[in-house]
Amino acid sequence: AQSVTQLDSQVPVFEEAPVELRCNYSSSVSVYLFWYVQYPNQGLQLLLKYLSGSTLVKGINGFEAEFNKSQTSFHLRKPSVHISDTAEYFCAVSDLRNTPLVFGKGTRLSVIA
Amino acid sequence: DGGITQSPKYLFRKEGQNVTLSCEQNLNHDAMYWYRQDPGQGLRLIYYSQIVNDFQKGDIAEGYSVSREKKESFPLTVTSAQKNPTAFYLCASGLAGPNEKLFFGSGTQLSVL
Repeated sequence: AQSVTQLDSQVPVFEEAPVELRCNYSSSVSVYLFWYVQYPNQGLQLLLKYLSGSTLVKGINGFEAEFNKSQTSFHLRKPSVHISDTAEYFCAVSDLRNTPLVFGKGTRLSVIA
Repeated sequence: DGGITQSPKYLFRKEGQNVTLSCEQNLNHDAMYWYRQDPGQGLRLIYYSQIVNDFQKGDIAEGYSVSREKKESFPLTVTSAQKNPTAFYLCASGLAGPNEKLFFGSGTQLSVL
């Protein structure tokens, strides 16, 4: 079975600074990887996903993530954050079979003016 | 507009009472999911259904029940056997396949009186 570890539960960062949210996964088979964002009192929406091919994936709102198979990581980055990026971010993994996504525990990003 | 709708937004349960959370989608998705979200614990899968009239238990199914009589609808009943029901409940839907993104509703906050 696969699992996801998000290494930081909370990340405070100043506006216009860069940010990296860390995600490591565990799986004995090939995987698909996802990042979702949740704004307060709302559902989740997809930021980006890695299926195959280029290991650098670009998503919405200026976010990108890099798949590193040797380190089993899929860290999310943004070069310059805005106040509106304040939200909770979830990493998720799928093992290529038709089983449900497994989510990490989330990282709360707080952007400080 | 296509989307996934959860109701009610807030729900209160009395001791010994069963309550039902509604989830409806008009996206023509085969797969539907119920997740429970507790602070700091991420999303945990309760039940999922990949086709009408069929569903499977997730990681924390005890104290919950579901039905999938129509493609558009996947209601969740929180029974009196669920001793700690206070949480934010999220419904999601998606096309069949492990690489497909999930679409989430805006959630139901269930509290115990």
